Amino acid sequence: DGGITQSPKYLFRKEGQNVTLSCEQNLNHDAMYWYRQDPGQGLRLIYYSQIVNDFQKGDIAEGYSVSREKKESFPLTVTSAQKNPTAFYLCASSKGLAGDKTGELFFGEGSRLTVL
Amino acid sequence: AQSVAQPEDQVNVAEGNPLTVKCTYSVSGNPYLFWYVQYPNRGLQFLLKYITGDNLVKGSYGFEAEFNKSQTSFHLKKPSALVSDSALYFCAVRDHPADKLIFGTGTRLQVFP
Repeated sequence: DGGITQSPKYLFRKEGQNVTLSCEQNLNHDAMYWYRQDPGQGLRLIYYSQIVNDFQKGDIAEGYSVSREKKESFPLTVTSAQKNPTAFYLCASSKGLAGDKTGELFFGEGSRLTVL
Repeated sequence: AQSVAQPEDQVNVAEGNPLTVKCTYSVSGNPYLFWYVQYPNRGLQFLLKYITGDNLVKGSYGFEAEFNKSQTSFHLKKPSALVSDSALYFCAVRDHPADKLIFGTGTRLQVFP
């Protein structure tokens, strides 16, 4: 079945450590996204990529980094510079500007990061 | 700038009664609007979208939404609520020309038996 796979589902990190969240899709989608979810704040966009080897900052990119070396993969690194990294992280994909152009997103199951 | 607002943090409804979850939007140009649902510790699932055409859009699980251009609203509705509909609901609008969605803060729907 086609879909988006995020791993790990739960992750614990000590302060000062970097951590990388994995996101893989087999939907053949061009565009991929990372959102952060906090209670009462909805979803906030961290980074997005419309094509391989290119990505743009979202609304809260500080303290995060991404890469898009393959169409299927869009890993997110939460660096030690992120002051409050404890959150639920959601990866999504869409057909992109070359696709149906509606912007409909398909989501993974999320990764919950807790900083100890 | 494009934005959506969900004025209610929580909506409570008795099972079998109709439900409405409100959403208003602000966009330049024609809006592309979406509703998603999220169950605890899960990703978001697509319910329905409005791109163009009929103002009443039908979606998954018996949900529908009414697009009202004069009131800039896109309220989610269901004629008869189920306890299993209890979840967090998000309204979203596409940010033109960038290929990304902007989400509201979410509304928690609680359906009581």
